[in-house]
Amino acid sequence: QSALTQPRSVSGSPGQSVTISCTGTSSDVGGYTYVSWYQQHPGKAPKLMTYAVTKRPSGVPDRFSGSKSGNTASLTISGLQAADEADYYCCSYAGSNTLVFGGGTKLTVL
Amino acid sequence: QVQLVQSGAEVKKPGASVKVSCKASGYTFTDYYIHWVRQAPGQGLEWMGIMNPTGGRTSYAQKFQGRVSMTRDTSTSTVYLELSSLRSEDTAVYYCARTQPSSSGWPFDYWGQGTLVTVSS
Repeated sequence: QSALTQPRSVSGSPGQSVTISCTGTSSDVGGYTYVSWYQQHPGKAPKLMTYAVTKRPSGVPDRFSGSKSGNTASLTISGLQAADEADYYCCSYAGSNTLVFGGGTKLTVL
Repeated sequence: QVQLVQSGAEVKKPGASVKVSCKASGYTFTDYYIHWVRQAPGQGLEWMGIMNPTGGRTSYAQKFQGRVSMTRDTSTSTVYLELSSLRSEDTAVYYCARTQPSSSGWPFDYWGQGTLVTVSS
């Protein structure tokens, strides 16, 4: 199980939109609609932002949206805010009762 | 309220084993799976495995097969992670997290506070 591929960093100005990609294979991202995204601030536990590709838990703003095309999933954050600056991780079901994370992306709000 | 409370930091020598606990409260223990995820310093998240508290069934990431064991004590609503043959690369914060069995793709909705395990001679 190799880690999913994410860009190491992305950046955007307040109010703008950014998209973080997460590329896997047909054995994980491409094979299931089971991708979730997590936000992690320094020294904190991760927080669930989206799951099942497009679903959002209650309490997560609709500025956060997930999508998927083929073997690549994406998290789009619109209306960027300073508080969105954090590390973001994708996670996919990989078959045989296993999960795999992406390497993580550092979002900088300029 | 839902809580996953983990045991405290550990310092171990290379070759030793470590056992970390995760005590659940605020929900029915057997209604949710528990996973273990670790994060080395400055690195990303790494999924280690899953435990079904109902019957104790487990599934581990291939990388840890043979070195990891997840067990539970239903009387205290506690899940344990044991990692053996420790090496310096196992230095990390270890998190437990829960998922609802019926939820698509097992998203983690609650996490423990993390336990720092340091492996050093």
